[in-house]
Amino acid sequence: EPEVTQTPSHQVTQMGQEVILRCVPISNHLYFYWYRQILGQKVEFLVSFYNNEISEKSEIFDDQFSVERPDGSNFTLKIRSTKLEDSAMYFCASSVEGGTEAFFGQGTRLTVV
Amino acid sequence: GNSVTQMEGPVTLSEEAFLTINCTYTATGYPSLFWYVQYPGEGLQLLLKATKADDKGSNKGFEATYRKETTSFHLEKGSVQVSDSAVYFCALSDQGNTPLVFGKGTRLSVIA
Repeated sequence: EPEVTQTPSHQVTQMGQEVILRCVPISNHLYFYWYRQILGQKVEFLVSFYNNEISEKSEIFDDQFSVERPDGSNFTLKIRSTKLEDSAMYFCASSVEGGTEAFFGQGTRLTVV
Repeated sequence: GNSVTQMEGPVTLSEEAFLTINCTYTATGYPSLFWYVQYPGEGLQLLLKATKADDKGSNKGFEATYRKETTSFHLEKGSVQVSDSAVYFCALSDQGNTPLVFGKGTRLSVIA
């Protein structure tokens, strides 16, 4: 069964460093998303991406965040200068065009120290 | 804006007990409703969904009915197992490809 894959599963980084989280969405999906879950809190939407551009973003997705689809398969989230409060589980998801159901990856746990 | 409210956890049940996790929503229009499950150390998995009023979603013995009149989508299971221990998230989506809005999650622990 096709699935969304994310790498790495866990990343530890120092405050102020840049990190790139990687995702391979399901191959025939056209919409891609990033969500995050701070420990013990709810899952929050960050950004959606369609047709090589951001289609929607939340207030959380400020200038330190960026997304890119560098090739035909990968979808990345870059955090330019990490802060302690960026520590969270980051989930990538994808969906077909017109679909309401999103398929999630296993998540990347980011720890900023 | 849209929002989802779930009952606070954690919920601890004995094996074979009946489970209800309450979920109510606020939305303009007619959203699709979902329950996602997160097993320990894993990502989010879709458990079930309903796309219109009075639809019942079901999977793995879990059920939820889309109640427009009470704006609710309560999750139920008649007999829980230890393997059902997880965090359950209620969520909604306005229409195709719009972002999901999640509730805070309810942690369920089932003891033998």
